[in-house]
Amino acid sequence: GENVEQHPSTLSVQEGDSAVIKCTYSDSASNYFPWYKQELGKRPQLIIDIRSNVGEKKDQRIAVTLNKTAKHFSLHITETQPEDSAVYFCAAGGSNDYKLSFGAGTTVTVRA
Amino acid sequence: GAVVSQHPSRVICKSGTSVKIECRSLDFQATTMFWYRQFPKKSLMLMATSNEGSKATYEQGVEKDKFLINHASLTLSTLTVTSAHPEDSSFYICSASRGSPSFGSGTRLTVV
Repeated sequence: GENVEQHPSTLSVQEGDSAVIKCTYSDSASNYFPWYKQELGKRPQLIIDIRSNVGEKKDQRIAVTLNKTAKHFSLHITETQPEDSAVYFCAAGGSNDYKLSFGAGTTVTVRA
Repeated sequence: GAVVSQHPSRVICKSGTSVKIECRSLDFQATTMFWYRQFPKKSLMLMATSNEGSKATYEQGVEKDKFLINHASLTLSTLTVTSAHPEDSSFYICSASRGSPSFGSGTRLTVV
């Protein structure tokens, strides 16, 4: 099955700086790579996703890059704000059924 | 976007009893739904794939007799935790997809 590794497990950044989270996956058949933000006790909230026919996608301060050859993808948050503090999960799966394998998560803290 | 409803949001039950959790796709039909489990400060772990009209597919290490899944209609999947024990206490969350995954709001199960 799919195995997703996520680094770092914790990340502390100064407000206004950038945050980068990296994930690797094992199954070359995976072609859907979402990133989620999750607050305690809440459902995961999709912040951005990328499909394997695209190498990079950007939405305002958030961007995701995908390297299918190396089987890794990264989340970039620029101009971080205190409200970006949360736990972020990457995931990988197929776009036929969206069965997802999740990374271990990254706790991001933005220091004011 | 696609809406997935999950009930109950919280449940406390006594050891040895069974608890049923419902996952509904509100504005679309879902032949496949997924059930995940999340321990505190941990990632989402896929438990099983719920298939409408057929048996669920369980991930390795998940007891099918412990976690009964029924997907009797195109909009409803249920997860029943049978003979619950304190170690079954966890956050359970379902997902269904229409173009991309949508998650239910999750169920916090506490077994006392």
